[in-house]
Amino acid sequence: DGGITQSPKYLFRKEGQNVTLSCEQNLNHDAMYWYRQDPGQGLRLIYYSQIVNDFQKGDIAEGYSVSREKKESFPLTVTSAQKNPTAFYLCASSITGNVGNQPQHFGDGTRLSIL
Amino acid sequence: GQQVMQIPQYQHVQEGEDFTTYCNSSTTLSNIQWYKQRPGGHPVFLIQLVKSGEVKKQKRLTFQFGEAKKNSSLHITATQTTDVGTYFCAGPNTGFQKLVFGTGTRLLVSP
Repeated sequence: DGGITQSPKYLFRKEGQNVTLSCEQNLNHDAMYWYRQDPGQGLRLIYYSQIVNDFQKGDIAEGYSVSREKKESFPLTVTSAQKNPTAFYLCASSITGNVGNQPQHFGDGTRLSIL
Repeated sequence: GQQVMQIPQYQHVQEGEDFTTYCNSSTTLSNIQWYKQRPGGHPVFLIQLVKSGEVKKQKRLTFQFGEAKKNSSLHITATQTTDVGTYFCAGPNTGFQKLVFGTGTRLLVSP
């Protein structure tokens, strides 16, 4: 079955530690996205990538970094500079073209908490 | 910047009652998308509307895109407990590089 796989499902971060969230898709989609969702809130865009080896900052990129070395993979690193990382992180993908016109497919998410 | 607001933020209904959520954009949209997120789950794409004044139905769900393409609504007829979740609308930003998600409406349905 085609889809988006995020791992781990739950992650705990110690103070001063960088952690990396995995996102893999086998939908052959060109565009991939990372969102942050706080309890009871909407989706805020962290980073997005429309093509391999290229990515852009979203609305809340500070304290986060990404890479896009392969079409199917878009890992997100939450750095120690992100002082309030506790949230639900969602990865999504869409067919390219005008990405604003394409529906997005989401993974199951990773819940990150501070220890 | 571009904003997409939804009202109400939250609604609690009895099973069988109708429900409507409204989505308003600060800019004209080329299309509007609707997503549903079940509690503890991830957003799932429901539908996309493209034409001014367009109305689409999915069983008990009716989606409408405003004439000016700046607002949209989702109406659920005779809600069921399976309708529980948060409903988000989303539209492209001016440069079409990303989707701007609305603030969401959380629906709770009591049996």
